[in-house]
Amino acid sequence: ILNVEQSPQSLHVQEGDSTNFTCSFPSSNFYALHWYRWETAKSPEALFVMTLNGDEKKKGRISATLNTKEGYSYLYIKGSQPEDSATYLCAFRRAGGTSYGKLTFGQGTILTVHP
Amino acid sequence: DAGVTQSPTHLIKTRGQQVTLRCSPKSGHDTVSWYQQALGQGPQFIFQYYEEEERQRGNFPDRFSGHQFPNYSSELNVNALWLGDSALYLCASEGQGGSPLHFGNGTRLTVT
Repeated sequence: ILNVEQSPQSLHVQEGDSTNFTCSFPSSNFYALHWYRWETAKSPEALFVMTLNGDEKKKGRISATLNTKEGYSYLYIKGSQPEDSATYLCAFRRAGGTSYGKLTFGQGTILTVHP
Repeated sequence: DAGVTQSPTHLIKTRGQQVTLRCSPKSGHDTVSWYQQALGQGPQFIFQYYEEEERQRGNFPDRFSGHQFPNYSSELNVNALWLGDSALYLCASEGQGGSPLHFGNGTRLTVT
């Protein structure tokens, strides 16, 4: 059984605050770690696909780091804005014969940014 | 460039009935996966289709079946619906290996 855990489950911050959340995943048989942002009434949107230990990715005010040896990834949002309010999902893809196949998702972190 | 489209958006069925959900992948994508998202949980993998074959399957009973057509569109069928099948069903497509998933807006299924 693959367990992908995200913390915290929910987070309330004020506009302008910086914040971060954690995704933990199995440290063996790693292939890729995905981050998605899911706004209410929309479809999940890909933020990052990370494949190498030590990877750091950045997209505007959002960045992510990856540690495959210890099985965790951090997502950082600098200077949160109300439009950052969403559920942030991470998903793990294990290695094994194919680069395709299932993604195992965490339960998500619900971020609410108050004006 | 159309993204992933799913139909219908909402559906209400009675326990024991059967349902078919439909998905058209993003243009250029040949792989389609289906996920079930129950309240308070992350999406759970149902199965993946590639070249009209089921390539991988998650831990779902045989009541859940699917199909992929030559134009890469896909259907998810659920027979003998249970109350516990009430969930949001997401379709996702991808192109080359290692690329991110592109999701549709989902079909909200309610079983009464």
